[in-house]
This record gives sequence, structure tokens and C-alpha cells, in this order.
Amino acid sequence: EVVMTQSPATLSVSPGERATLSCRASQSVSINLAWYQQKPGQAPRLLIYDASTRVTGIPARFSGSGSGTEFTLTISSLQSEDFALYFCQQYNHWPTYTFGQGTKLEIK
Amino acid sequence: EVQLMETGGGLVQPGGSLRLSCVASRFTFTSYWMCWVRQVPGKGLVWVSRINPDGSFTSYADSVKGRFTISRDNAKNTLYLQMNSLRAEDTAVYYCVGGSGNYYPFDVWGQGILVTVSS
Repeated sequence: EVVMTQSPATLSVSPGERATLSCRASQSVSINLAWYQQKPGQAPRLLIYDASTRVTGIPARFSGSGSGTEFTLTISSLQSEDFALYFCQQYNHWPTYTFGQGTKLEIK
Repeated sequence: EVQLMETGGGLVQPGGSLRLSCVASRFTFTSYWMCWVRQVPGKGLVWVSRINPDGSFTSYADSVKGRFTISRDNAKNTLYLQMNSLRAEDTAVYYCVGGSGNYYPFDVWGQGILVTVSS
């Protein structure tokens, strides 16, 4: 099973600043990596797939990068609605899809 | 708007059974690979099971293999999860999710339904 490790567990950032979230895979997942956002009481929402492709309607301040085992989600100029929980997920080694444990993005 | 609606959750005693249903609307359910993903409140997401579009191929996480059965009725646009021999550690919010294929993420999510296994 591919283990996905996210860091940090909690990230405190001020509104208007940049946030950088990391995700590492225990073995290569090529670019088959997605990022999801989850707000309290809601289901996760797909933000980024194929490591760097934004879903239609997702603001351009969200960007993804990386390939193989190292990935990054960057949120430039944080807005109040961006403070949430973020998960990465690999879908290269199916059917055992695996998620990271999540990064909580909180207001500093 | 694409929609998945789960029903069938609730409180069940250890060793008991429960069947979750998920009705899909406003997307081509019959073309989607469907999964169940669960989340212990406040914790991470865990893939549980997957079924291919015509229902001929299924997969399970080791933790539920032999106890859970995934199935679908494409005529009713409905996904199911039959859960038997439930354990306390199966307590979680269960999400019905879908993706376009093997190398695709989950782009469709239900709102989730809580299953609590407790005496």
C-alpha cells in the first residue's frame, strides 16, 4: 500500500499570505495525485487532479505541483473561505486508493 | 448539479448488519467507477470498496474484506454497501464517491452518512 504523508499537520497563516502544503508518497504515483478541501460538516471537494490541474471553478490562487513522490499545494493570498482541512490522495495504485492524513489550515 | 445521496446509516450493535444506499442524479452514473470512502469524525479518509461501471468487478480494503459487499443497480442509479459483522472500528461517516475511471480522482461526493457501531 502506498502511504501518503502530509506536512505540516496544522498550518497557521494570516489572511492574504501564501500557504504551502506538502504531500509525500512512499513510492512513485506519477502525476496521479489529487488535492481535496474539506470544511466542517461537509464532504471533501476536489480541487486539483493530475497533480496540477485545477477543477473548473476553482480559483486560480490554488495551484498544485510535483510528480513522483513529492507534491505541493500552494494557496496564494489566502481568503477567509480557504481555511479548512486539505487532503492529498493518490489514484495511481488502484484500487487501493490512499489519502494523506490531512493538513489543517487555520487562521493565524 | 451533480448529486449523490446516501441513506441507511444509524446505530447498530456489534455483530449487526446495515445496508447503505446511494442514489445518483445529474451525471452518467452508468459510466462511473463508484466507491465507498469512510472517515472517523475528526480523522482522515479511508477507501473502503470499489465497483466498476457494469458491476462485474469489485475490490475491498483488507479491513472490510469478507464482511462488506458493494453492489450497484444501474437501472435505479443506485450504489449499495452491505455491511455485516460490524465492529466498533467501523464507526465512521461513509461517503459514496465516484470517478471516471482507473486513473481518475473522486470528482463526485455524497454528503456522507454516519454509521455508529455500539452496544
